[in-house]
Amino acid sequence: GAVVSQHPSRVICKSGTSVKIECRSLDFQATTMFWYRQFPKQSLMLMATSNEGSKATYEQGVEKDKFLINHASLTLSTLTVTSAHPEDSSFYICSARGAREVEQYFGPGTRLTVT
Amino acid sequence: GQNIDQPTEMTATEGAIVQINCTYQTSGFNGLFWYQQHAGEAPTFLSYNVLDGLEEKGRFSSFLSRSKGYSYLLLKELQMKDSASYLCAVKDSNYQLIWGAGTKLIIKP
Repeated sequence: GAVVSQHPSRVICKSGTSVKIECRSLDFQATTMFWYRQFPKQSLMLMATSNEGSKATYEQGVEKDKFLINHASLTLSTLTVTSAHPEDSSFYICSARGAREVEQYFGPGTRLTVT
Repeated sequence: GQNIDQPTEMTATEGAIVQINCTYQTSGFNGLFWYQQHAGEAPTFLSYNVLDGLEEKGRFSSFLSRSKGYSYLLLKELQMKDSASYLCAVKDSNYQLIWGAGTKLIIKP
């Protein structure tokens, strides 16, 4: 099956700093990438959908100026959490889908802790 | 609004069979997915149904009835490693995935 990687797997940062998370499709071209957030014991919450070369579409309630998404190539998307606060601590998961594909392939997730 | 319902938690015994139900009300339907998620890990794909009926894949089977807005995931010969959350997700008319809250399955020896 297709492989999606995420980096870093864990990050601890201080309040007010910014953190960048990378999501890469390793063996296929991801025309669409999705960013999710998951709080403990809760389901996945879609934050935004991005198509290669265009601006991301954010879900209602997700601040686009705080969660910057860049999908500059068919194999890489980045999520930058700007001016992170403790309430941003969560499990961030990306997924990727190729053109004419049904299934989304998930990355392993990034656990962000803001102190 | 759009809604996916599945039980919060289920318990089963090693070696037994368990059925996890999912009902959905969405604006349009373009397929239903089941994912497995172990604690602290990302979801992994289990099955995809777009037509009515049963799809079997080893110990796991998934059933869909579009007229009833209903699906189930059947797990046979349960193993301890099957302890995980099972997520039901439906792709709506905009091809957006709508996620259920997940069913935590606890397997006891």
